[in-house]
Amino acid sequence: GENVEQHPSTLSVQEGDSAVIKCTYSDSASNYFPWYKQELGKRPQLIIDIRSNVGEKKDQRIAVTLNKTAKHFSLHITETQPEDSAVYFCAARDSGGYQKVTFGTGTKLQVIP
Amino acid sequence: DAGVIQSPRHEVTEMGQEVTLRCKPISGHDYLFWYRQTMMRGLELLIYFNNNVPIDDSGMPEDRFSAKMPNASFSTLKIQPSEPRDSAVYFCASSQNRVPYFGPGTRLLVL
Repeated sequence: GENVEQHPSTLSVQEGDSAVIKCTYSDSASNYFPWYKQELGKRPQLIIDIRSNVGEKKDQRIAVTLNKTAKHFSLHITETQPEDSAVYFCAARDSGGYQKVTFGTGTKLQVIP
Repeated sequence: DAGVIQSPRHEVTEMGQEVTLRCKPISGHDYLFWYRQTMMRGLELLIYFNNNVPIDDSGMPEDRFSAKMPNASFSTLKIQPSEPRDSAVYFCASSQNRVPYFGPGTRLLVL
């Protein structure tokens, strides 16, 4: 089955700096890669996603990149703000009939004002 | 749309008691997922359904855990008997051709 690894597990940055979270996946059949943000005490919420036929996608201050050959993908947050502090999860969805989604272990991002 | 609805939001029970968690998925979604989240293990997929049929229950930790989906708008996750190590936040999520949309979760504490 799919295995998704995520690094780092914790990340502290100064407000205004950039943050990068990296994930690798094992199943080359995976074709869809969402990212979730979970604020303290809340549910994980989808913030951005990327499909396997796209190399990069941007939405305001966040961007995701995908390297299919190397089987890794990354989340980039620029001009970080205190409200970006949360746990971020990457995930990979396989292309099989039942679309199983496998999550990474999460990265706790702290933005220091 | 109201989103995924879960009940109860909080549950405190004593070891050995039966616990039933409930979920109403987003209307029209054909996938339903149950996840468990703890500090130690992170976000674990317990079981998921497609069109009310269980597809993969390999994440269900033990026979004490069972899940049902009698119709497209309702699912339950039952723990019987409950143990302190079952304390966690249990999320239900649903999807249609994309990725899971999570409910607010049930915070379970087993004393």
